Amino acid sequence: AQSVTQPDIHITVSEGASLELRCNYSYGATPYLFWYVQSPGQGLQLLLKYFSGDTLVQGIKGFEAEFKRSQSSFNLRKPSVHWSDAAEYFCAVDGGYNKLIFGAGTRLAVHP
Amino acid sequence: EAQVTQNPRYLITVTGKKLTVTCSQNMNHEYMSWYRQDPGLGLRQIYYSMNVEVTDKGDVPEGYKVSRKEKRNFPLILESPSPNQTSLYFCASSLLAGAHQPQHFGDGTRLSIL
Repeated sequence: AQSVTQPDIHITVSEGASLELRCNYSYGATPYLFWYVQSPGQGLQLLLKYFSGDTLVQGIKGFEAEFKRSQSSFNLRKPSVHWSDAAEYFCAVDGGYNKLIFGAGTRLAVHP
Repeated sequence: EAQVTQNPRYLITVTGKKLTVTCSQNMNHEYMSWYRQDPGLGLRQIYYSMNVEVTDKGDVPEGYKVSRKEKRNFPLILESPSPNQTSLYFCASSLLAGAHQPQHFGDGTRLSIL
């Protein structure tokens, strides 16, 4: 069965520091992968997606993610974090019929 | 403005009292779905609908019903709510059912069942 694992429940970084959020997936075929962000009291906003092609994907708000098939990973990165990036981040894989299978989420706190 | 609207945003109720959470989208999307979000579990799909009058179970359908009589609306019905249905619920829609279709999420409905 498809699954997504986000090993870090909570991460704290200083403003201006680099960020990497980890995501590992289990999927038999070529996965369609997504990163979403959820700000407090808000719905989910799509940051970026990977379907095929270039394994380094650029998204909104300065985020990027790299698909590594050999490691079954799709880690999210940002070179310099801003205080407004504090939120919960979800990695997801398409499970068919547009069903998204989400990881448990990583809550990001940003120290000034 | 393109949006998915859920109502209510917050609800506290008691076990066994039927409730409906409404979801409406103004983008003429064919595909709609409901998720629940629980700490440590992420979001899990409850039900989805490929089009009007076409609905199917997701991963956690027990205790829920849905209907899709109009394209824009996809209400979630809890006939006899129980405390284990206390959760944060999200409605989502996309133009068609396909991974290349971006999904639009509502702002969520927080249900507390006492």
